[in-house]
Amino acid sequence: QITLKESGPTLVKPTQTLTLTCTFSGFSLSTSGVGVGWIRQPPGKALEWLALIYWDDDKRYSPSLKSRLTIIKDTSKNQVVLTMTNVDPMDTATYYCARYHTNSWYGDWFDPWGQGTLVAVSS
Amino acid sequence: QSVLTQPPSASGPPGQRVTISCSGSSSNIGSNTVNWYQQLPGTAPKLLIYSNDQRPSGVPDRISGSKSGTSASLAISGLQSEDEADYYCAAWDDSLNGAVFGGGTKLTVL
Repeated sequence: QITLKESGPTLVKPTQTLTLTCTFSGFSLSTSGVGVGWIRQPPGKALEWLALIYWDDDKRYSPSLKSRLTIIKDTSKNQVVLTMTNVDPMDTATYYCARYHTNSWYGDWFDPWGQGTLVAVSS
Repeated sequence: QSVLTQPPSASGPPGQRVTISCSGSSSNIGSNTVNWYQQLPGTAPKLLIYSNDQRPSGVPDRISGSKSGTSASLAISGLQSEDEADYYCAAWDDSLNGAVFGGGTKLTVL
């Protein structure tokens, strides 16, 4: 069974750095074709993709947030960490991590997703 | 504003068929596969359709997906109350070099 779980602070002050950890089980991030991504959802709003790290340590970031995001993996701990600098109240959202499949025939998709963690940015 | 365009809402009575559209461009839907996610109230998104029209194990065959050019559609037939949820389309965008999502469609079973 594949599971992912997000962890991190529930409240962060503006201008601080947010660090979120995705701890997963049931798969290895050293397996070809596998990645882990972060997606967020502000209250009552749509999903927004943030970042993605692949099994070979290749990384992709949302162009609009690239300067503020860093994603790293610790394969031995089965963890992926996302850091977001200089947070703002607009960054208040539920943050999800999800396993990413890449397949040369079928394309790529996120499945499964973690339960999400709600982060509020407020002074 | 989302890169992929979906209608904000859709509805239908139990037993009816409803379709949800997703419009993109040549850099995303036009050149990559489309996935659909279902988000039940208060829960995390769940993969509903991958690779345009493929159903993961456990998704009933009354749910189907299709793609043509730069648009895609999700169809749900035999509507049930349990289908009330938000539905999101997604694809890779070659210009942005990242994943993009639609704005979501809230499905109401009347």
